[in-house]
Amino acid sequence: DGGITQSPKYLFRKEGQNVTLSCEQNLNHDAMYWYRQDPGQGLRLIYYSQIVNDFQKGDIAEGYSVSREKKESFPLTVTSAQKNPTAFYLCASSITSLQGGQPQHFGDGTRLSIL
Amino acid sequence: KQEVTQIPAALSVPEGENLVLNCSFTDSAIYNLQWFRQDPGKGLTSLLLIQSSQREQTSGRLNASLDKSSGRSTLYIAASQPGDSATYLCAVKGSNYQLIWGAGTKLIIKP
Repeated sequence: DGGITQSPKYLFRKEGQNVTLSCEQNLNHDAMYWYRQDPGQGLRLIYYSQIVNDFQKGDIAEGYSVSREKKESFPLTVTSAQKNPTAFYLCASSITSLQGGQPQHFGDGTRLSIL
Repeated sequence: KQEVTQIPAALSVPEGENLVLNCSFTDSAIYNLQWFRQDPGKGLTSLLLIQSSQREQTSGRLNASLDKSSGRSTLYIAASQPGDSATYLCAVKGSNYQLIWGAGTKLIIKP
């Protein structure tokens, strides 16, 4: 079955440590996105990529980095510069770029906590 | 700046009732509006997408309406079931092509 796989499901970060969240899709979608979800708030866009080797900052990119070397993969690194990383992170993809009218498909998320 | 609001934050109704969830937005210049469902600890599932030129979309027991002039959308759920219990989120795609999200309504259907 086609879909989006996020791993790990749970992740713990130590002080000063960088951690990387994995996102893989086999839907042949061009566009991929990373969101952060905090309790009582709407999803906030961290980074998005409309095509391989290209990505753009979202509303809350500070303290995060991404790469898009393959169409299927869009890993997110939470760096030590992100002082409040505890949140639920969601990866999504869509057939075309943001300008398209197609819905986004989501993975099951990674919950990141601080040790 | 586009803002999306969903009220109430939580709703509990008996099984079998018809119910309406609300979503309001401040800027009527939108490309589309989407409703999603999120189960606890899970990702989001797209339920319905309404293009700006449309007034409503239907899928099974779900019906979503859009009134751009008033900045409102409703999600109507007919004959609610315990399996409908989840958090429902709406998101609008505005002029910058990004999705702006509401905080969601947590729905509990009591058997």
